[in-house]
Amino acid sequence: EVQLLESGGGLVQPGGSLRLSCAASGVTFSSYAMSWVRQAPGKGLEWVSTISDSGDTTYYADSVKGRFTISRDNSNNTLYLQMNSLRAEDTAVFYCAKEDDLFDSWGQGTLVTVSS
Amino acid sequence: DIQMTQSPSSLSASVGDRITITCRASQSIGNYLHWYQQTPGKAPKLLIYSASTLESGVPSRFSGSGSGTDFTLTITSLQPEDFATYYCQQSYSTPVTFGPGTKVDIK
Repeated sequence: EVQLLESGGGLVQPGGSLRLSCAASGVTFSSYAMSWVRQAPGKGLEWVSTISDSGDTTYYADSVKGRFTISRDNSNNTLYLQMNSLRAEDTAVFYCAKEDDLFDSWGQGTLVTVSS
Repeated sequence: DIQMTQSPSSLSASVGDRITITCRASQSIGNYLHWYQQTPGKAPKLLIYSASTLESGVPSRFSGSGSGTDFTLTITSLQPEDFATYYCQQSYSTPVTFGPGTKVDIK
């Protein structure tokens, strides 16, 4: 069974930075693209970023391009999201999800709150 | 970007009812359409992929159909655990996009 466990969320001031992690188990991590999807409080789902299985290729939503960086460590089965220049509108639960076109496994999510 | 719409935005139903949710894409997406179920405080769960293929372990009362721009999710004989929000998602082109969701609650 695939397990994805996010961590690193919390309260941060506008303009601040945060790094999210997602530890994967029960899956050959290096064989799959991985993604981040977020959900603002009471709102719908928004794709944020995807990284290829090897880590060579990355994709970003326009709303985070230039501020967020996705990366992965296949030797430690871990996905990351470095978030800089955070804004109030980035407040959301961030989920890591397996795959890049459809998301067949999800973590439980980690809450990021951007507020002064 | 491909825009996804869903109707209705919410519906009230009773246990045992049959319900249908519609998802429409702003351009043709073939069968690159997937459905998710989300209950409060939980992560989304993949129900159906490629418009009509049931994910492993998903009860057969769930079904999906459609292609091109118009798709439907049908739940026959609604069960208590089916009261949730349902999202469609297209993977025809990047960025992948989700519909706004349909909340199914108890009448």
